[in-house]
Amino acid sequence: GQQLNQSPQSMFIQEGEDVSMNCTSSSIFNTWLWYKQDPGEGPVLLIALYKAGELTSNGRLTAQFGITRKDSFLNISASIPSDVGIYFCAGRTGTASKLTFGTGTRLQVTL
Amino acid sequence: DTGVSQDPRHKITKRGQNVTFRCDPISEHNRLYWYRQTLGQGPEFLTYFQNEAQLEKSRLLSDRFSAERPKGSFSTLEIQRTEQGDSAMYLCASSFLPGGSETQYFGPGTRLLVL
Repeated sequence: GQQLNQSPQSMFIQEGEDVSMNCTSSSIFNTWLWYKQDPGEGPVLLIALYKAGELTSNGRLTAQFGITRKDSFLNISASIPSDVGIYFCAGRTGTASKLTFGTGTRLQVTL
Repeated sequence: DTGVSQDPRHKITKRGQNVTFRCDPISEHNRLYWYRQTLGQGPEFLTYFQNEAQLEKSRLLSDRFSAERPKGSFSTLEIQRTEQGDSAMYLCASSFLPGGSETQYFGPGTRLLVL
């Protein structure tokens, strides 16, 4: 099935560094969501975006809904070891209720 | 705990056997979704319910798969005559609509291994 393009695929960073990842689509989305998934667990919602241009923060996390409505960005500032995991973007198009997920960005944080 | 719960968390079965998974959504959430996630991929939509009604099914949901939500609360997903390709994490999510912008909350998943 269709999946959104996420980049980078994986990142190895040092504790304290800032992280940026993005998600792109060939289709227009009216909702963008960012989830984090730990091994063997379900995705946990981090940030939800509902309007083009919207910039929303949740602690050290900041996400933006792209103006073109075809992309979204997630930034993590001052990374800590518990940020390790896989980050997924997800979006909703038109009147659809289902979510289309990205391919994921695996984040590793070294001390 | 008032989150989405799924049972069992892990299931190992032999090819050809039938399996059934259960999902209990967040209380009062009227929408319930099933997704499948294979290793290294993001979740993919299978089907969803609004109350008891199954409103959409993905092409991924073959004839061997059936989902129910008989009383509009918990849901079951059954896979008949399992195949090795069915090995995956099966995720359930719930949401409330109307209620502003719909946000889906996921359960911990059921990991299926078909031998």
